[in-house]
This record gives sequence, structure tokens and C-alpha cells, in this order.
Amino acid sequence: DAGITQSPRYKITETGRQVTLMCHQTWSHSYMFWYRQDLGHGLRLIYYSAAADITDKGEVPDGYVVSRSKTENFPLTLESATRSQTSVYFCASRKANYGYTFGSGTRLTVV
Amino acid sequence: DQQVKQNSPSLSVQEGRISILNCDYTNSMFDYFLWYKKYPAEGPTFLISISSIKDKNEDGRFTVFLNKSAKHLSLHIVPSQPGDSAVYFCAASEEGSSNTGKLIFGQGTTLQVKP
Repeated sequence: DAGITQSPRYKITETGRQVTLMCHQTWSHSYMFWYRQDLGHGLRLIYYSAAADITDKGEVPDGYVVSRSKTENFPLTLESATRSQTSVYFCASRKANYGYTFGSGTRLTVV
Repeated sequence: DQQVKQNSPSLSVQEGRISILNCDYTNSMFDYFLWYKKYPAEGPTFLISISSIKDKNEDGRFTVFLNKSAKHLSLHIVPSQPGDSAVYFCAASEEGSSNTGKLIFGQGTTLQVKP
């Protein structure tokens, strides 16, 4: 099915572990984004990518790493998870000059 | 510093009445504004947008107003329905020559429409 999918939907990990959240879109949209949603902060941009092999920092990039070797995939890695990274993470894609389409989110808990 | 602000965390209205959600921004380079709606356990979905060359855009029960001089926009829902109960996010971007394709979101306003 066409769309944007995130995996896993839920994840519990321990402090200090490396975690990778996956995002896959089937439209070949140029732009892809990672946001985190926290109470009182809304949606904050972590990283974004304008095309394969082109990535840039957003508002809150510290502690995160991204890569984009293929247009359809945009994984987000927490190199050493901290409790402050407990959040709901949303991936989105965008065709140039059109609105965003969001995935269903990954709820990450760091214990 | 928060470039897009929604100062009302929550709003409660009666079914059939008007809901007005407000949003302020500080970056004068923003020229495209959007509203997204989010239900629990789902991703945000696009609702309505407006370009800075307009001051109003309407789509059915939803109307967005833009006041560039005040750096303020609002979303009006008339009439409000219980199914409109959700979190509403305001977002802004620069679509001109400095287009980076990224949206900056506000904190969100939780709307409750009571039957």
C-alpha cells in the first residue's frame, strides 16, 4: 500500500542503549522529516532531508543521528538513549510545494 | 525561542457553536501557514492552509484568517461538531527563495466539543 510507515509503533529501551526508529515512504517524495511530540512543546523538528544523501539539523538534533541512502527510507538513531528522549516520534514526507503527510508515530520510552 | 506559538493549551465549546483557535508567529520570513489536526495514537493530518498573499481561506466549515501585520492567524470552525475534538497544531514555513521545505509547529491546542 502507498503511504508512510513507521516502525516500531512502541519501543521500550534502557538508558545508554542505541535505538533506531524506521521510516519508509512509497511516494518517492523528496523531503522527509523527523519530529518529536512532547507536552507543552508541540512538534519539534529533529532532522530533515531534502533528498537522498542530503540531511540537515532541525530545532532539537542533539543526541540523534540520521541517514538517507535511499529516497524512501529515513531512519533516526538515538546513539545513547537518555530519559529525556522519551517521546512520541513522527516521521513525515513532503512532495515539493505540497503539504506534509505524517506517519502514525513511534512511542519511545527510555527507562 | 518558539517561532510559532499557540498560547491556549485547551479550548472547550458547545456543539454547534464557533471554535476559534489562535496562533502567533515571530519570523517575518514565514509565508505559508497550515493547520493540522491530530487524534490520539495517530499522526497529524492536514486540515487547511493559507499563503501570505491571502488573508482568508475557506474550506467547508473551516476558515483560516491571516493578519500579517500582527503576525497572527486563526482557525474558525463553524459549526463545531463532537468529531472535531482533537489537538490542533498551527505550522509555518518559508516557501520563497529560502525554501527549506521544513515546517515549524506550535505547541498545539486541545479542542473539546461538547454534545
